[in-house]
Amino acid sequence: QQQVKQSPQSLIVQKGGISIINCAYENTAFDYFPWYQQFPGKGPALLIAIRPDVSEKKEGRFTISFNKSAKQFSLHIMDSQPGDSATYFCAASMNTGFQKLVFGTGTRLLVSP
Amino acid sequence: DAGITQSPRHKVTETGTPVTLRCHQTENHRYMYWYRQDPGHGLRLIHYSYGVKDTDKGEVSDGYSVSRSKTEDFLLTLESATSSQTSVYFCAISEFLPSGGAPYEQYFGPGTRLTVT
Repeated sequence: QQQVKQSPQSLIVQKGGISIINCAYENTAFDYFPWYQQFPGKGPALLIAIRPDVSEKKEGRFTISFNKSAKQFSLHIMDSQPGDSATYFCAASMNTGFQKLVFGTGTRLLVSP
Repeated sequence: DAGITQSPRHKVTETGTPVTLRCHQTENHRYMYWYRQDPGHGLRLIHYSYGVKDTDKGEVSDGYSVSRSKTEDFLLTLESATSSQTSVYFCAISEFLPSGGAPYEQYFGPGTRLTVT
């Protein structure tokens, strides 16, 4: 019930291409879905997040698509750049006083020049 | 890293020895968390704190204890380190989240790489 499943494990995209990372969850009580970006040797940092009352959220080149009925959400990176090369984690939590985040296993993205 | 420091940043220790990792924040945030990061597992919550002297267990708490005597400090202790506790440990902080309100961002520290030989 607490798992968040993330795929693919790794991804190679050419510069200018679209990167797509998918996550699925089981617990229908989750109502906050953030994506974190992590560069080597650094801690994760919040990239973008969505609540289940909307189906899509866009911030610059980054878009979250959310499908409540399928219990799936995905991160799309448009016009991918070499600087986007990092590990991306999806996560989920319940909106109950503090963030007890459940993380996916991560996707290592490499954007080739 | 949002006013969060972790010490030490790297440590090598032997099996069976106690180890304490420190997280210090300057943001005065109420909530503090300890995670471990391992390949294929993402980040898993070890313990968290919701105030001074108020702590609770996370998903992978066996073999770990925590203490929070001040708002700004959250200590993680491995009582008797084992090789399975070789990992990268991250501290995180967040502010109080009124139920139903907009979620507050969880900020992560730079991490501590621990090797147990």
